[in-house]
Parts: sequence; structure tokens; C-alpha cells
Amino acid sequence: GDSVTQTEGLVTVTEGLPVMLNCTYQTAYSDVAFFWYVQYLNEAPKLLLRSSTDNKRTEHQGFHATLHKSSSSFHLQKSSVQLSDSALYYCALNNNYAQGLTFGLGTRVSVFP
Amino acid sequence: NAGVIQTPRHKVTGKGQEATLWCEPISGHSAVFWYRQTIVQGLEFLTYFRNQAPIDDSGMPKERFSAQMPNQSHSTLKIQSTQPQDSAVYLCASSFRDWGISQNTLYFGAGTRLSVL
Repeated sequence: GDSVTQTEGLVTVTEGLPVMLNCTYQTAYSDVAFFWYVQYLNEAPKLLLRSSTDNKRTEHQGFHATLHKSSSSFHLQKSSVQLSDSALYYCALNNNYAQGLTFGLGTRVSVFP
Repeated sequence: NAGVIQTPRHKVTGKGQEATLWCEPISGHSAVFWYRQTIVQGLEFLTYFRNQAPIDDSGMPKERFSAQMPNQSHSTLKIQSTQPQDSAVYLCASSFRDWGISQNTLYFGAGTRLSVL
């Protein structure tokens, strides 16, 4: 079946500095979409951005990600993090035959002043 | 639009007791999902309904877990004889229409935190 592997555990970063969260995947399907969801403390996970187009940069709320099918990756980046970016980030994929999304284990980001 | 509503937000049960979790999807959404969230396993798919019909329950522990969707406005997840390992946050999500690649966003509720003592 499909699988998603993310940067494990906790990533700490100083406010104003860049951050990159790794996401790699395995799937037997070519028709696949990819997602980043963000979950703030005591809130519901919500969609941050998504893509199904190879080598096309997708941006939202200052974050960006580019799907690279050649390396099976969909890394999330931000050039200058803010304190409010502290959250749990999930990478996920969906093939058109699955019921629901396959999520990674999540990466917690803590931003310090 | 109130979003996906889950009740209760927190539930504490004793080992062996039953727990029922409720979900009200966003009005007009035809797809409803249940996920379990833990630190160790992340977000695990449990079950999926489309137009109230059960489509896939491959993620459900078979013996003690069951889910229903008696009408389009609510779904329930029932855990019988709860065990400490069932302690987790249970998330319900809904989507606008039939699940299709990249076409739909999953809208999650805030979850029910189940603690089994």
C-alpha cells in the first residue's frame, strides 16, 4: 500500500529563519495527489496546500512545496518562520483508488523567539 | 458554517466500559471519515462513509469498534469494552463530494480525546 515518511519528531527553529520539513512517499500509482495539513494546538487539522502536478511549486500562507516525482518527495518549506507557525504538520497522499488520505506520522515545529 | 462538530471533546472511561463518539459533518458533504490520532501512529484511517453508506472499514479493529451513519447529519463511532490502548484522539472529517484525486479537501473536526483508565 501507499506510505508517507516525514521528518521525525520535533523541529525547533528560531523566528525569522527558514525551515524545511521533509516528506517522501511510496506508491504504486501514477495518478496521485499530495497534501500538507497543519494542526495548531487544540485545533482541528486543516489543509495548508496540495498538489498533483510534477515539478510545479505550490504556495500558501508563506509556505511552499514542489512535487518531485523523480525523487518521490513533497517537502514543505518556508523562508522565514513566525512564532505562529508552531504546530504539527502532516504530509499526506491520495491515489484515486484509495478511500481517504494516507498520512505520515507528523512533524512538530516549535518556533522560538 | 460551523464546520465539523464532534462531541464530546473529552471522554474518560474505565477499562471495559463502552464509549460512543459523535460527529456532525458539514451540511452538504457526502463523504465522512473517521481517523485515530496518536503520537506513535500519527493519523490512522479507520472508516469511510459515502452518502451514509459504509464504504471501507479496513482500518477498524474488528472486534470492538463499530461505526454508523444513520442519517446525513451525524455519524457515531462506538468502542465496546474499551482498553487503555484505545486512548487517543478520534477525528471525524467530511468532504464535499465523492472522494477523488486532489478535488476535495478533508475538513476535520477538533476531535474527541478518549482516555481509558
